[in-house]
Amino acid sequence: IAGITQAPTSQILAAGRRMTLRCTQDMRHNAMYWYRQDLGLGLRLIHYSNTAGTTGKGEVPDGYSVSRANTDDFPLTLASAVPSQTSVYFCASSDRPSGANVLTFGAGSRLTVL
Amino acid sequence: QQQVKQSPQSLIVQKGGISIINCAYENTAFDYFPWYQQFPGKGPALLIAIRPDVSEKKEGRFTISFNKSAKQFSLHIMDSQPGDSATYFCAAISNSGGYQKVTFGTGTKLQVIP
Repeated sequence: IAGITQAPTSQILAAGRRMTLRCTQDMRHNAMYWYRQDLGLGLRLIHYSNTAGTTGKGEVPDGYSVSRANTDDFPLTLASAVPSQTSVYFCASSDRPSGANVLTFGAGSRLTVL
Repeated sequence: QQQVKQSPQSLIVQKGGISIINCAYENTAFDYFPWYQQFPGKGPALLIAIRPDVSEKKEGRFTISFNKSAKQFSLHIMDSQPGDSATYFCAAISNSGGYQKVTFGTGTKLQVIP
C-alpha cells in the first residue's frame, strides 16, 4: 500500500540520549515534512524538504535536525533529547513543495522523554 | 501566536445532529483552506478543502462555509454518525519562500453519541 512508513511507532527515551525517527515514502513525492502534535497546540512544523538534497527550518526547529539524501527517506534526529520533546511526531509528504496540494501523513511516532 | 484559531476544543453531538467547527485566521496571504480528520492512532487525512473565491463547498455530509470578509470558515457535518468521531483540524495554506506553509488550528475532538 502506497504511503508513508514511520518507525518506531513509540519509544521511551532517557533525557540526553540521541534518537532518530525514520520516515520513508513510496509515492515519489518531492516535498517532505516533519510535524509534532501536542494537545492544545495542533500540528507544528519542525523541518521540511522541498526536494532531495535540500532542507529548511519550520516553526519549531530547535533541538532537531533532518537530512534528505534521497527522495524516499527523511529521518528526524534529536541529538540530545529533553522532556519537552515528548510528543507525537508525524512525517508528511506532498507531490510538490508549493501551491495548494494534499499532505499525506504517516501514522506517527509517539516519543516520551524521561 | 496562533494564526488559525479553532473552536470548540471539544464537541459532543447526538447521532443525526449537525456538528459545527469554526476557524478564524488573520493572514490574508492564506489562499487554500483544507480540513483534516484524524482518528486515534492515525495520522491526519484530508477531508475537504476550499479556495477563498468560493463561499461554500459540499462533499456528501461535509460542508465548508467560507466568509472571506470576516476571515472565518467552518466545517458542518450533517447527520453526524458515531463513525465521524475523530479530531478535526482546520488549516490554512500560504506559499512563502518557495514552499507551501501549512498553518493548523489546534484541533476539535468530536464525539458523536448514539
